[in-house]
Amino acid sequence: QVHLVQSGAEVRKPGASVKVSCKASGYTFTSYGITWLRQAPGQGLEWMGWISGYKGNTYSAQKFRDRLTVTVDTSTTTSYMELRSLTSDDTAVYYCARGGVIPSTRNWFDPWGQGTLVTVSS
Amino acid sequence: QSVLTQPPSVSGAPGQTVTISCTGSSSNIGAGFDVHWYQHSPGAAPKLLIYANNHRASGVPDRFSASKSDTSATLAISGLQAEDEAEYYCHSYASSLPGYVFGTGTKVTVL
Repeated sequence: QVHLVQSGAEVRKPGASVKVSCKASGYTFTSYGITWLRQAPGQGLEWMGWISGYKGNTYSAQKFRDRLTVTVDTSTTTSYMELRSLTSDDTAVYYCARGGVIPSTRNWFDPWGQGTLVTVSS
Repeated sequence: QSVLTQPPSVSGAPGQTVTISCTGSSSNIGAGFDVHWYQHSPGAAPKLLIYANNHRASGVPDRFSASKSDTSATLAISGLQAEDEAEYYCHSYASSLPGYVFGTGTKVTVL
């Protein structure tokens, strides 16, 4: 069975960085990509970026391009999402989800990780 | 932030049918990009319901169906059950960004 398991909740101060992990199992990691999304309190879902599980090439939303880094470690079938220069607006639940091996316009996301709450507060 | 518009809430009695609209524009749904639907229950991870406009994901009951036309898409839930209470989101691609976009979300309440 396909599973994505994320790391636990984090608390950071404004200006700091956070790194969230997403451990994949139950499928051939290099045949798919991993997408990262978030949901702020009371808000909808927001796509942040994608990474290929095969070559590690990435594709990010312009909004996050200068402070988001997404990586993969194929030896441990884990993806990492690092967000820098955090502000209170970055307080959200962050999700990883399995997507296509290329950033196709047709990609859907299935399954999703359980989510990681990141709280940014002074 | 969301470029796809959904009604904030819909409700229905058990056994009834409810529909959720997802309205986009010529740069996303109207450009021919696929629409996908997710169910998000409180405290749980979002779950894929429908992919590529009208294909049910594995294990999804046939009470869930979807369609797409012009710049909008619709999710229908027939034979409404208490377990269907959740937030529902549509998802597509926007060439104007570019990137993946989601709907504003619709809360389904079973009366």
